[in-house]
Amino acid sequence: QVQLQESGPGLVKPSQTLSLTCTVSGGSISSGGYYWSWIRQHPGKGLEWIGYIYFSGIAYYSPSLKSRVTISIDRSKNQFSLSLSSVTAADTAVYFCARDDSSGYVFPYWGQGTLVTVSS
Amino acid sequence: IQLTQSPSSLSASVGDRVTITCRASQGISSYLAWYQQKPGKAPKLLIYTASTLHSGVPSRFSGSGSGTDFTLTISSLDPEDFATYYCQQLNSYPLTFGGGTRVEIK
Repeated sequence: QVQLQESGPGLVKPSQTLSLTCTVSGGSISSGGYYWSWIRQHPGKGLEWIGYIYFSGIAYYSPSLKSRVTISIDRSKNQFSLSLSSVTAADTAVYFCARDDSSGYVFPYWGQGTLVTVSS
Repeated sequence: IQLTQSPSSLSASVGDRVTITCRASQGISSYLAWYQQKPGKAPKLLIYTASTLHSGVPSRFSGSGSGTDFTLTISSLDPEDFATYYCQQLNSYPLTFGGGTRVEIK
């Protein structure tokens, strides 16, 4: 059973870069043709898909965040990461990493989420 | 693709039949999923491709619809079902979610 765990700073200053890592256990990030996504949830609000990285390393981002987002993969550590630049208070959210069911669209596997607050 | 859920919240009693609606801004065939989220937890997949029950999900949950209109039905509300429910379209990127429906205890 694959498990995902987010890690990273819980507090980021405005204009800086938010960096989070998702560590995958119970399976290799390099196998199976899966899409590894980041999804966020603003406090008390709904879910927003940020982007994915395919096991091959190809990434795709939401157009609304594309100019500020980079998702990368580290096969040696079985991890994938999110980088979001020039953050503002509007980027304060719980960030989830998730894996699809190989369809590219459905998420049966989620990390528990990590709250990132943007504040000086 | 925008997804509009209704109602945004509802109050119901244990044993009630509950129906939640999700409307897509354009036709998405049967490419819709439903998730359940409890406070402080990650969403859990309930249903995908509109009506396929995810492994381990109780049979009191069911989904229906196609095109632009979809429903999630809980046939008999269980105490553990009080949560927020989200729909998600599977038709195209960027993936989008509905605004959520909070199911509260009456």
